[in-house]
Amino acid sequence: QQPVQSPQAVILREGEDAVINCSSSKALYSVHWYRQKHGEAPVFLMILLKGGEQKGHEKISASFNEKKQQSSLYLTASQLSYSGTYFCGTVIQGAQKLVFGQGTRLTINP
Amino acid sequence: NAGVTQTPKFQVLKTGQSMTLQCAQDMNHEYMSWYRQDPGMGLRLIHYSVGAGITDQGEVPNGYNVSRSTTEDFPLRLLSAAPSQTSVYFCASSYSSGNYEQYFGPGTRLTVT
Repeated sequence: QQPVQSPQAVILREGEDAVINCSSSKALYSVHWYRQKHGEAPVFLMILLKGGEQKGHEKISASFNEKKQQSSLYLTASQLSYSGTYFCGTVIQGAQKLVFGQGTRLTINP
Repeated sequence: NAGVTQTPKFQVLKTGQSMTLQCAQDMNHEYMSWYRQDPGMGLRLIHYSVGAGITDQGEVPNGYNVSRSTTEDFPLRLLSAAPSQTSVYFCASSYSSGNYEQYFGPGTRLTVT
């Protein structure tokens, strides 16, 4: 039941934009996005709820397509500090557990 | 607020040994969970709890036991350690799984030889 993320890895130059996708085969209640720096714990970015409520963080935004059970994370004008591994997590409708995808490794070069 | 604390930070076990990874939170969170992280595998859910006295299995529960006798504590027990359990273990907590931020502990790096 793990969501599927794509791409697995992205390499950008500073200032470029990136999109990370997350998809599920089940009807979703919510989608979570986290970023993890090497050797550290994951840090919360935002939650998207069924029904369209969204919370944002800095220049990072996200969308949630309930019909397709897909979410996309948008990073605009990327900064060096955006480097890390991004995880989407999903809670299926009627369930209580949060399950994460395999992660997308983002590298920002100067 | 200490947040989510995990002990120990590092541990080396021999195959067949048992041990308990400790997790505690001081935020009065009902939902707590354990994940393991292996290279290329993401964060895989081991067990979770929606409140004291209530636990359930995640995606990879075999070889692990949990209990939740208090709201604050959620220990993870390895019954008979195997090299396949070498991993980084994260504990997380929140008010609920669906619509609240998860707070992660700093992690425990476990090596089984």
